[in-house]
Formats: sequence, C-alpha cells, structure tokens
Amino acid sequence: DQQVKQNSPSLSVQEGRISILNCDYTNSMFDYFLWYKKYPAEGPTFLISISSIKDKNEDGRFTVFLNKSAKHLSLHIVPSQPGDSAVYFCAAVGGGADGLTFGKGTHLIIQP
Amino acid sequence: DAGVIQSPRHEVTEMGQEVTLRCKPISGHNSLFWYRQTMMRGLELLIYFNNNVPIDDSGMPEDRFSAKMPNASFSTLKIQPSEPRDSAVYFCASSLGGRASVGELFFGEGSRLTVL
Repeated sequence: DQQVKQNSPSLSVQEGRISILNCDYTNSMFDYFLWYKKYPAEGPTFLISISSIKDKNEDGRFTVFLNKSAKHLSLHIVPSQPGDSAVYFCAAVGGGADGLTFGKGTHLIIQP
Repeated sequence: DAGVIQSPRHEVTEMGQEVTLRCKPISGHNSLFWYRQTMMRGLELLIYFNNNVPIDDSGMPEDRFSAKMPNASFSTLKIQPSEPRDSAVYFCASSLGGRASVGELFFGEGSRLTVL
C-alpha cells in the first residue's frame, strides 16, 4: 500500500508552459513534504519542500502547494525549460518515522 | 565537498553469490539511509542509521539483507545469498539532522545490481 502516490507516470509539456506535477498521500501523520528531481544515472537531488503548517512555498520557477484537507500536493514549474526534463519524486516524512516515504515518480518531458 | 560516494556503480552477479554495497556519507552528516529503487515499487527505505546506530530497519526485505555502519564515514549493505528479484538500484543518502525534514537528504549516484 503506497502512502505517497504519484498517479501520472509521465507528463509531457511544451517548453515555456507550466508543468504541474501532482502527489497524493494517505498518512495524516505526515508533516513535511519534499520534491526531489532525478536525472538518469544520478541520485535524486532535493528541489523544494513544504511544512504542513504552510500551504505554499515558492523558490524561483518552482512552487509547491499543499492542500492538507485533500491530502494533496502539487509542484508547479513555470516557465518549463528543457533542463527540467527528469523524474520528479514526491516524498513525505512524519508519524514517528525519520526516513522519507517516496512516491513512484513522474517522468517530466519538456518538448521544444 | 565530494558528496555521498557509493561503490560499486554497477554489479552483475549470479544467483546465490554474496553482494556487498558500500557507502561513504558526507563528512559531518550524522544520518545515513539506504534506499532501493525498482520499477514496481519506486524508492523504498531499507534502513536508517543515526550516529552509526540502526534506528529503523523495518524496510529490510528479509534476513538475506544486512547493513552495518562501523563508523561515521562508512556503511555497507550486504545481500547473502543474492536472488534475481534483488536486481535494483540501491541508493545511499546522508543528512545532517536526525530527521529527514531537518536537512534534506543527499543521495549518492547509486549502485545498479543485476543478479542473473
């Protein structure tokens, strides 16, 4: 049973447009959420995070939104650039566990 | 900073053989995590150490898997005997804090294991 779900295995977006990646979670004890980005043959790298006391966190072209009542978060990338093509993992922590629980990832493809 | 260093990058072995994966965390980080990535299950946490002590090993699949952290700069993940279903990419990650949210995780480049 996946506690963190990314229901879109892949997403294709045109360069310059907005990319929206979605993530749902089931564990109400999660209190911190993170997005990681992964290129082929590399390890995941941290992108942006949000605490459960907030509903939005912005860092340059990246914004993460958290809807606790819906147990849903999303990552917005605008404008999308070719270098954004990667696999994006949603992750969560909380409920007494210290390690991150990851979703299966969404492969974002930015079309020129 | 060299980052998290994992070895080997690639390992191909035959079923029944022992496999040892190695990790050197970032100096000064006191938490170390082992993850496994497969197509079916994504990134799964196998085990987590804090100050060299295993804190949570509930993700270790079975007794064939074992992990050690003899000192702050070295950890191993051992599979004995290995099976084809163990084929995956194994990532090691380290962080400053005792909890993943205190400081984000820094991942190594992974060890791709293929068991024939």
